[in-house]
Amino acid sequence: KQEVTQIPAALSVPEGENLVLNCSFTDSAIYNLQWFRQDPGKGLTSLLLIQSSQREQTSGRLNASLDKSSGRSTLYIAASQPGDSATYLCAVKSRPYNFNKFYFGSGTKLNVKP
Amino acid sequence: EAGVAQSPRYKIIEKRQSVAFWCNPISGHATLYWYQQILGQGPKLLIQFQNNGVVDDSQLPKDRFSAERLKGVDSTLKIQPAKLEDSAVYLCASRSLQAMNTEAFFGQGTRLTVV
Repeated sequence: KQEVTQIPAALSVPEGENLVLNCSFTDSAIYNLQWFRQDPGKGLTSLLLIQSSQREQTSGRLNASLDKSSGRSTLYIAASQPGDSATYLCAVKSRPYNFNKFYFGSGTKLNVKP
Repeated sequence: EAGVAQSPRYKIIEKRQSVAFWCNPISGHATLYWYQQILGQGPKLLIQFQNNGVVDDSQLPKDRFSAERLKGVDSTLKIQPAKLEDSAVYLCASRSLQAMNTEAFFGQGTRLTVV
């Protein structure tokens, strides 16, 4: 069974800092990996989707990388802003024999201080 | 395009009562997921539908939880009877099958409090 771990569980940084969130998974046989943002009391908003054949994806100030062989992904946030404060979740979609199940990490709660 | 719709947004019930949640996925999305998210944890898959068939319900507590997607569109998730530990956010997500590696889209969730 796929296990997804996110480190750190919580992070507090001053505005303007560049930061890295980490996601690791135990089974490298994945279809893709997706990063989500969750605001308090809200659902999940998709940020970036990386296919298993890709190494990174970029959207604005966000850059996600994938190293399938080592079972790791990182989400890089450049020039952080208070509006980036939220919980960030990574989810791994496994291969067809698991019928494309999504396995989630527990998330990293980010607080960007003005 | 319209997103995944869920209702109600919030529900408070007493233990041993029953409750039902509703989800309307994005039009045309064949795959529908129900997740349970306990405070401070990542979402846990309860059940996955492909059209109106169940493809994974291995983590659904079947003695009290049930779900259906009769016409392959809307879905309902029911809990009967509820326990205190069922307090969580219940998230519905959908995904298109038109391509193998498409994104999943989530609804706002239903926050259930069992007292």
